[in-house]
Amino acid sequence: KNEVEQSPQNLTAQEGEFITINCSYSVGISALHWLQQHPGGGIVSLFMLSSGKKKHGRLIATINIQEKHSSLHITASHPRDSAVYICAVTSGGNQFYFGTGTSLTVIP
Amino acid sequence: EPEVTQTPSHQVTQMGQEVILRCVPISNHLYFYWYRQILGQKVEFLVSFYNNEISEKSEIFDDQFSVERPDGSNFTLKIRSTKLEDSAMYFCASSLQGGYTFGSGTRLTVV
Repeated sequence: KNEVEQSPQNLTAQEGEFITINCSYSVGISALHWLQQHPGGGIVSLFMLSSGKKKHGRLIATINIQEKHSSLHITASHPRDSAVYICAVTSGGNQFYFGTGTSLTVIP
Repeated sequence: EPEVTQTPSHQVTQMGQEVILRCVPISNHLYFYWYRQILGQKVEFLVSFYNNEISEKSEIFDDQFSVERPDGSNFTLKIRSTKLEDSAMYFCASSLQGGYTFGSGTRLTVV
């Protein structure tokens, strides 16, 4: 069973395009996380949110608790944004459920 | 910026051997985690640790695994009697109040 579903699995965009990655979850959550995994494997936490919207530079994350859905937007995409973006949720306790990730490639 | 440090970055071990993966979390963080990612698959939660004891663990974290915070700074994951299917990237993370910082991972290869 997949508690967290992401779409698309793979995404190729031209530099400058506006990008949206979607995440749906099926469990009650205490928080939703967007993570970035670089080709070398390292993971960086981008956002943690439990309601509304957060913005950091060109990245925007939104969450709709009623619809159990979150989106990650990247404005003015750049080749250095190429990475795997992972949606994860914490459901009570401290246990994480991870999505399978969205592999983003931004072409110059 | 504070970092979570993991050592070694890559470990190769023979099947059946025991391995210890080491992590130094951020010093004022209170919650500690281990995750693994088998090549080509999604990240999986293994265990969380708080106040010197396990607070949550997944089905993966069976008797083969154990965690320890031996000296107040290190946080270790021990895998006993390794199997081929234990080959994966193992990530440590720590948090204070929700803000998570991940280590760069240890790639474990069991041969």
